[in-house]
Amino acid sequence: NAGVTQTPKFQVLKTGQSMTLQCAQDMNHEYMSWYRQDPGMGLRLIHYSVGAGITDQGEVPNGYNVSRSTTEDFPLRLLSAAPSQTSVYFCASSYSTISASGEKLFFGSGTQLSVL
Amino acid sequence: GQQVMQIPQYQHVQEGEDFTTYCNSSTTLSNIQWYKQRPGGHPVFLIQLVKSGEVKKQKRLTFQFGEAKKNSSLHITATQTTDVGTYFCAGPERDDKIIFGKGTRLHILP
Repeated sequence: NAGVTQTPKFQVLKTGQSMTLQCAQDMNHEYMSWYRQDPGMGLRLIHYSVGAGITDQGEVPNGYNVSRSTTEDFPLRLLSAAPSQTSVYFCASSYSTISASGEKLFFGSGTQLSVL
Repeated sequence: GQQVMQIPQYQHVQEGEDFTTYCNSSTTLSNIQWYKQRPGGHPVFLIQLVKSGEVKKQKRLTFQFGEAKKNSSLHITATQTTDVGTYFCAGPERDDKIIFGKGTRLHILP
């Protein structure tokens, strides 16, 4: 199993450009999420999905879109990139929604995005 | 919404000294998780605590969940260079949102 795979690992965009960060998992996980990590800010939740066809907003959703057409894939779209979106992006998944049942998040290796 | 606060933000210790990071939530948590992120890496799950007052140990790491289920701590005994990284606590806001603290970055001085 590859686990959680993110592509690309690095990306440089110009302000106003659009792009899609890819995330795929091969563990049959129902729950997938996107976080951004900025210095001193920890991990902030952008969007998440509890299953195919279902998405919801996290703490910092503005400027990002997601879709979940399959269980395996959860792409993150930047429609018009801004310098404030310069960050490291992590995709994470778990078998089911987080509850008292002991589900843990598996993270991808991250995408480092710079918007000039 | 729920806030998860973590202190300190940074900690420098001499190798062999102990280290503790604290996590506090504005609301009662059903459970709390701890993750470790090595420099340049991605967060990796360490442990989950569920019960009030729960204490769990993993070798030199001791995790505690407060009686009110609003705070938690991670204590490392006799730190080693392999302990370098950022330690995050995370708690669920409802069942399907995991909110992370800002993390504590641990530096080990040789």
